[in-house]
Amino acid sequence: QSVLTQPPSVSGAPGQRVTISCTGSSSNIGAGYDVHWYQQLPGTAPKLLIYGNSNRPSGVPDRFSGSKSGTSASLAITGLQAEDEADYYCQSYDSSLSAFVVFGGGTKLTVL
Amino acid sequence: QVQLQESGPGLVKPSQTLSLTCTVSGGSISSGGYYWSWIRQHPGKGLEWIGYIYYSGSTYYNPSLKSRVTISVDTSKNQFSLKLSSVTAADTAVYYCARTGTNDEPYDYWGQGTLVTVSS
Repeated sequence: QSVLTQPPSVSGAPGQRVTISCTGSSSNIGAGYDVHWYQQLPGTAPKLLIYGNSNRPSGVPDRFSGSKSGTSASLAITGLQAEDEADYYCQSYDSSLSAFVVFGGGTKLTVL
Repeated sequence: QVQLQESGPGLVKPSQTLSLTCTVSGGSISSGGYYWSWIRQHPGKGLEWIGYIYYSGSTYYNPSLKSRVTISVDTSKNQFSLKLSSVTAADTAVYYCARTGTNDEPYDYWGQGTLVTVSS
């Protein structure tokens, strides 16, 4: 069981908007730690998609956005494209004994 | 542009020690400001943080693996390494090395990953 909880899968048609949730607790997201998001295409290493809850690294399209509130965070993808089909992971830090760096279990995005 | 590259055996026998090295190019580990990490991904599963090391040698490990993990750094070679002892089939995974900043920062550079299979 991952410390951060994500839905196993989401789907949407091209052009639509989807959101992926990441639920934590008072020892991680709720403690004020930033949430970061990664995109992992099949057979490749994760790539940083959103950092510091809502910031995009250079080169990441503005179709991707992130937010954080309380003990949860969300990744939104608008104008879905076929190349967005991938696994998405949230990541934060945790002050409990579970681990210091924690990841969500990952969400598989399927573009219909 | 920082690049990380994992190397090591792709097959390890049960009960033996898994050893991997990450070679960093395009940046110096000894310049400080970053934690150098190992992260693994079991086949078809999510990401699991193993631990990280600072250039000074300070380490922090995932409590669930702490008794079996050692991460070390060789600044002269600009490399850091992972040793995982007493491996079982449950340690079969893709192992990534990655870099993160020192203050609640994300993993901005990753190696390509290397699959390690534990089997006799």
